[in-house]
Amino acid sequence: EVQLVESGGGLVQPGGSLRLSCAGSGFTFRSYDMHWVRQATGKGLEWVSGIGTAGDADYPGSVKGRFTISRDNAKNSLYLQMNSLRAGDTAVYYCVRALFDYGGNYYFDSWGQGTLVTVSS
Amino acid sequence: QSVLTQPPSVSAAPGQKVTISCSGSSSNIGNNYVSWYQQLPGTAPKLLIYANTKRASGIPDRFSGSRSGTSATLGITGLQTGDEADYYCETWDRGLSAVVFGGGTKVTVL
Repeated sequence: EVQLVESGGGLVQPGGSLRLSCAGSGFTFRSYDMHWVRQATGKGLEWVSGIGTAGDADYPGSVKGRFTISRDNAKNSLYLQMNSLRAGDTAVYYCVRALFDYGGNYYFDSWGQGTLVTVSS
Repeated sequence: QSVLTQPPSVSAAPGQKVTISCSGSSSNIGNNYVSWYQQLPGTAPKLLIYANTKRASGIPDRFSGSRSGTSATLGITGLQTGDEADYYCETWDRGLSAVVFGGGTKVTVL
């Protein structure tokens, strides 16, 4: 059974940093692209970042330059380093496994339970 | 404001059918496959449909997906109380070079 377990969330002040971790099990971690998706309370889903099997990373404009995604295949782990945090970054962050559709684009077949990040003074 | 537009809510009685629309543009739905996710209250999202019409593993055939032009639709037949959830469409946007989600639709079983 695929399992994704996030950790590292918590309360951080505006301008601060936080590092999220995700432990994957039940599948060959190194063979899959992995992503982070976030959801503010009562709001919709927002893609945060993705990393390929070769370590190539992708970000939307809203977090580019502030967030860095990385992975350690030896530890079956995914990370998200978040710097210069803002109140608008407050959300539950989900670790997600990605597959490719027939057009070569992502879809997300397995989700973790999420970890809450709160940016507030 | 989401790039993909979904109605905020839809409702129907048990056993009836609902459809959820997802409207986009040629930058996203018009040229890329669409996926759908179900999020039950207090839980993480779950994949329902990928590649416009393919049901994910274990998803009953009461759930169906379609795409026409720059819009996609999720259909749920034989509505059950357990289907009460938020539903999201998702695809790739070539202009933004980003994964984009719809704003979500809340399904209520009357």
